[in-house]
Amino acid sequence: NAGVTQTPKFQVLKTGQSMTLQCAQDMNHEYMSWYRQDPGMGLRLIHYSVGAGITDQGEVPNGYNVSRSTTEDFPLRLLSAAPSQTSVYFCASSYSGTGGLYEQYFGPGTRLTVT
Amino acid sequence: GQQVMQIPQYQHVQEGEDFTTYCNSSTTLSNIQWYKQRPGGHPVFLIQLVKSGEVKKQKRLTFQFGEAKKNSSLHITATQTTDVGTYFCAGLEDNFNKFYFGSGTKLNVKP
Repeated sequence: NAGVTQTPKFQVLKTGQSMTLQCAQDMNHEYMSWYRQDPGMGLRLIHYSVGAGITDQGEVPNGYNVSRSTTEDFPLRLLSAAPSQTSVYFCASSYSGTGGLYEQYFGPGTRLTVT
Repeated sequence: GQQVMQIPQYQHVQEGEDFTTYCNSSTTLSNIQWYKQRPGGHPVFLIQLVKSGEVKKQKRLTFQFGEAKKNSSLHITATQTTDVGTYFCAGLEDNFNKFYFGSGTKLNVKP
């Protein structure tokens, strides 16, 4: 199993550009999520999905869109990049069962700089 | 809204000393998870606590979940240089599917 994969690893954008961060998992997890990590602020939830076709907002959703057409893929779209979106982005997936959500598996991250 | 506060922000210890980080939530949690992140890496799952008052041990690491399910701690006995990294707690609020991470405690261990 590859686990959770993210592409690209690094990206530099100019203000106003758009791009999609890719995330895929091969563990058949229903739950997937996107976080951003800024220095001293831990990880903040952007969007999450409890299954294909279902997405919802996290703590900091503004400026980001997501969709979940398959169980495996959960792309994050930046519609018009701003310098405030400079951050490290992590995708994660988790098994969800009758007991709730379990261990989150994180991808290696995408380091995004917006100039 | 939901908040998970974590202290201290930094901890510098001599190898062999103990270390503790604490998390407090503003609301009752369904469960709490702990992660370790090495510099330049991604968070790696350590453990999940679900029951009120639960205590779990992993070798030199001891994890506790408070009776009210609003606070948790991670204690490392006799730190080693391999313990260096940032430790995060992540709380899952009752009846919601959102994890709220603490801001992390960065541990530095001097040999």
